Amino acid sequence: AQSVTQLDSQVPVFEEAPVELRCNYSSSVSVYLFWYVQYPNQGLQLLLKYLSGSTLVKGINGFEAEFNKSQTSFHLRKPSVHISDTAEYFCAVSDGFQKLVFGTGTRLLVSP
Amino acid sequence: NAGVTQTPKFRILKIGQSMTLQCAQDMNHNYMYWYRQDPGMGLKLIYYSVGAGITDKGEVPNGYNVSRSTTEDFPLRLELAAPSQTSVYFCASSYVAGGLSEQFFGPGTRLTVL
Repeated sequence: AQSVTQLDSQVPVFEEAPVELRCNYSSSVSVYLFWYVQYPNQGLQLLLKYLSGSTLVKGINGFEAEFNKSQTSFHLRKPSVHISDTAEYFCAVSDGFQKLVFGTGTRLLVSP
Repeated sequence: NAGVTQTPKFRILKIGQSMTLQCAQDMNHNYMYWYRQDPGMGLKLIYYSVGAGITDKGEVPNGYNVSRSTTEDFPLRLELAAPSQTSVYFCASSYVAGGLSEQFFGPGTRLTVL
């Protein structure tokens, strides 16, 4: 069975500082990895995805993530955050059959 | 395009009542999904559908029913509401034609069972 662990439930950071949100997964088959963002009172929006190829994936809003197979990780990074990046971020894994398994989420709190 | 729409936005139910959460998409997607999101938890799949007339259980289907009579609509039915069903419910859809595809989410329905 697949699973996703997001160790940090909340990450506070100052505006214009860099941030890393951690995601580790477990899977016995090929994996496909996703990061979704949920702004307050909204549905989820896809930030980026790793299906194959380059292990460094660039997404929307200046976010990027690196797939590390040996460490079973898919950490999300942004070099300089804005107040508007305050949201909940979910890592998810799929075995390729359309069903997603989500982590518990990390709340990013950006303050001035 | 409206994308994925859900009604109602909020609802309070008494224990034992029933209700239907509505979901519609106008993107001609073949796959549709229902998730629930409990506080401090990730989303868990309740049911999904690969096309009109075809549905299947997800991770947490107990207490729910679904139907898919058209491509556009995928309602979720709660027959006997229980406090454990207090949650935020998200509907999603995707277009699958071989390979993995992005799921598009609706804004959610916040349900409280008292």
